[in-house]
Amino acid sequence: DAKTTQPTSMDCAEGRAANLPCNHSTISGNEYVYWYRQIHSQGPQYIIHGLKNNETNEMASLIITEDRKSSTLILPHATLRDTAVYYCIVRAGNTDKLIFGTGTRLQVFP
Amino acid sequence: DVKVTQSSRYLVKRTGEKVFLECVQDMDHENMFWYRQDPGLGLRLIYFSYDVKMKEKGDIPEGYSVSREKKERFSLILESASTNQTSMYLCASSFRGLNTGELFFGEGSRLTVL
Repeated sequence: DAKTTQPTSMDCAEGRAANLPCNHSTISGNEYVYWYRQIHSQGPQYIIHGLKNNETNEMASLIITEDRKSSTLILPHATLRDTAVYYCIVRAGNTDKLIFGTGTRLQVFP
Repeated sequence: DVKVTQSSRYLVKRTGEKVFLECVQDMDHENMFWYRQDPGLGLRLIYFSYDVKMKEKGDIPEGYSVSREKKERFSLILESASTNQTSMYLCASSFRGLNTGELFFGEGSRLTVL
């Protein structure tokens, strides 16, 4: 299974874009990149996923490098409610298992 | 709305007791998962089930077993609870072929083993 590496923590000012990086240098060609977040005391929540192309939805944008060895989750206008732990995950090659890591703790400050 | 319900939010058990954690989902999902979450270690997969009576071990299955007799229900069993199994346990479900990308999680069960 491809592993991911994320910074332990990041800060972001409210209203600014939050850019959360993730390295997945051993990713295989058919493996998707997923992002989840976990707000304190709640279960993780799905944000976005992608394979090769950049993706955007109402919550965030996902930028995947051309070689697919890294990606960035972008929250375009961070709010205090975006304070959470963000998990970058690569799906296990031939199953539906999702293996979470330790994530990035994003703190949005006023 | 998809609902994943875990039977107990908080449990306190004694070492050696048998513990059942129950999870029910109402979206006809094929896949169900049990994770545990500990400070500094993130979420770790214990077991995964992709169909009734089918299961796969996750990263940390030792000391746990699971049961999936009905599609909507996935039970995590601690045959003989130990203090190192004190943790937050999270259940999740999804459709098979995870290209939709979305796992739905329950609110968690915090287990304390004394």
